[in-house]
Amino acid sequence: GDSVTQMEGPVTLSEEAFLTINCTYTATGYPSLFWYVQYPGEGLQLLLKATKADDKGSNKGFEATYRKETTSFHLEKGSVQVSDSAVYFCALRTYSSASKIIFGSGTRLSIRP
Amino acid sequence: NAGVTQTPKFQVLKTGQSMTLQCAQDMNHEYMSWYRQDPGMGLRLIHYSVGAGITDQGEVPNGYNVSRSTTEDFPLRLLSAAPSQTSVYFCASSYSSMGSGTGNTIYFGEGSWLTVV
Repeated sequence: GDSVTQMEGPVTLSEEAFLTINCTYTATGYPSLFWYVQYPGEGLQLLLKATKADDKGSNKGFEATYRKETTSFHLEKGSVQVSDSAVYFCALRTYSSASKIIFGSGTRLSIRP
Repeated sequence: NAGVTQTPKFQVLKTGQSMTLQCAQDMNHEYMSWYRQDPGMGLRLIHYSVGAGITDQGEVPNGYNVSRSTTEDFPLRLLSAAPSQTSVYFCASSYSSMGSGTGNTIYFGEGSWLTVV
């Protein structure tokens, strides 16, 4: 069945470091791909998305490119800030199961000043 | 535009008690769903609905009931609370269309933190 695998955390980085959080997926057809972010004590916010191969989603300095050949949607940021500390979820939605979104297990990111 | 509204935000229950988590959306979305979030397990689907009067089970439906009498509301009922149901619960909604743009996005409520003692 459809699934999302993302790198295990926690990930701890120093401020201004480069960030990559890996995400790969298994899905039938051509899913839409999402990154959601959850700040401490809060709900889920959409960070960025991509709906077709080679699309690049971007927001708040974060980027992710939909790679069909490697079934990946890795999240990157060139220079992280303390305020980026949160849990990041990779997710997908398919046409055959459009009523559901399938999540990875989440990656906790902590940024040291 | 309120989006997806969940209540209550925090609740403590005793084992065996019942309660209802409320969810309402004002975006005229066809799809609504409930997820639970547990440490290290991401979000797991409890129940979902593709329209008023239509509901179905997700990955972890046991111990929960839902109904959808209107497009706007999708309450989640815990029939007899158990400590294993201690979790954070999220309601979500979206349009049925998966075209590009905002129509493809799934919107989440702010969560309900439930503790069963």
